[in-house]
Amino acid sequence: SQLAEENSWALSVHEGESVTVNCSYKTSITALQWYRQKSGKGPAQLILIRSNEREKRNGRLRATLDTSSQSSSLSITATRCEDTAVYFCATDEDTNAYKVIFGKGTHLHVLP
Amino acid sequence: EAAVTQSPRNKVAVTGGKVTLSCNQTNNHNNMYWYRQDTGHGLRLIHYSYGAGSTEKGDIPDGYKASRPSQENFSLILELATPSQTSVYFCASGDDRVQYFGPGTRLTVL
Repeated sequence: SQLAEENSWALSVHEGESVTVNCSYKTSITALQWYRQKSGKGPAQLILIRSNEREKRNGRLRATLDTSSQSSSLSITATRCEDTAVYFCATDEDTNAYKVIFGKGTHLHVLP
Repeated sequence: EAAVTQSPRNKVAVTGGKVTLSCNQTNNHNNMYWYRQDTGHGLRLIHYSYGAGSTEKGDIPDGYKASRPSQENFSLILELATPSQTSVYFCASGDDRVQYFGPGTRLTVL
């Protein structure tokens, strides 16, 4: 079951630019998470935003959540080459908050 | 020091053979997870566990078994490996939805 899905397979930007990755999900959720996976590594959580929150920040990262449209976005400002990675959104099932389902991911390439 | 470790990191198995992938966590998390990652599919949940002695089926459990003998250890078992199980497998431990992933195991079934 694909509870969450990113809207783009791949994005490219130049260093210093801003970029937004979008995600849509299908069911009611208790929280949505954004993860980043660098090449050859396991995913690492960036931001967790709960269903009663509209925005969360972590340094250059900003996540938003719109429960009415069942969508979320992750924005990265002043991108760096090291931001090159796959970005996943992940949601839980409201009947089982500990079963976390990942989207297929958006491949972000930050060019010099 | 890595909090979630996996072994082996690479494995080549033969079709029909038994494969065991091991995961150890030092986070003292109750929840542990096994995912596989394939191009075009992202991360797919195979099995998960709420604590020692418990295992639950994820979205793609067919062909896989799991074992959680202790808080720290969670194994994924392929009793009869098939080429379609060639993939990268990730273990994670979690608490309050945040998951901490291991480095992955690349499994090739010939």
